[in-house]
Amino acid sequence: AQSVTQPDIHITVSEGASLELRCNYSYGATPYLFWYVQSPGQGLQLLLKYFSGDTLVQGIKGFEAEFKRSQSSFNLRKPSVHWSDAAEYFCAVAPATGFQKLVFGTGTRLLVSP
Amino acid sequence: NAGVTQTPKFQVLKTGQSMTLQCAQDMNHNSMYWYRQDPGMGLRLIYYSASEGTTDKGEVPNGYNVSRLNKREFSLRLESAAPSQTSVYFCASSEDGSWGNEQFFGPGTRLTVL
Repeated sequence: AQSVTQPDIHITVSEGASLELRCNYSYGATPYLFWYVQSPGQGLQLLLKYFSGDTLVQGIKGFEAEFKRSQSSFNLRKPSVHWSDAAEYFCAVAPATGFQKLVFGTGTRLLVSP
Repeated sequence: NAGVTQTPKFQVLKTGQSMTLQCAQDMNHNSMYWYRQDPGMGLRLIYYSASEGTTDKGEVPNGYNVSRLNKREFSLRLESAAPSQTSVYFCASSEDGSWGNEQFFGPGTRLTVL
């Protein structure tokens, strides 16, 4: 069965510093890959997604993610974190064929220090 | 465009009580989903509806029923609530369930079962 691992439960980053959130997946074939963000008390918002092609994908709010097939990873990055980026981030996968049922990781909570 | 709306926002139930969570979307999407979010577990799919008139079980369907009332509305019913159903419930919709369509999420319903 497919699974998604986000090894970091919490990460604290200073404002202005760079950020990398890790995501590893286990799947028989290359799935569709997503990063969602959840601000406190809110629903989830899509940051970016990868289907095929260029392995570096750009998203909203200055985020990017790189797909590495050899490592089964899809890590999220941002060069300079803003205080408003404090939120919970979820990596998710969906099968590339058939009906899209998302499988989510357990999330990483990002704290931004002044 | 309201997107995906959910009612109520908060609910407290006693064990054994029943209730229905309502979800509506105004994006003319074909597919709708119900998830639950628990600390440290990410989001797990309860039920989904690929299109109007169809519903299918997700990862954690026990104790729940759903109704796809029409293309816009997808409700989740707890017939006899249990403390294990204390959670935050999210409804989502997508254009359809194929090709990695983005899922749009509602703001959530926080349910406590005493």
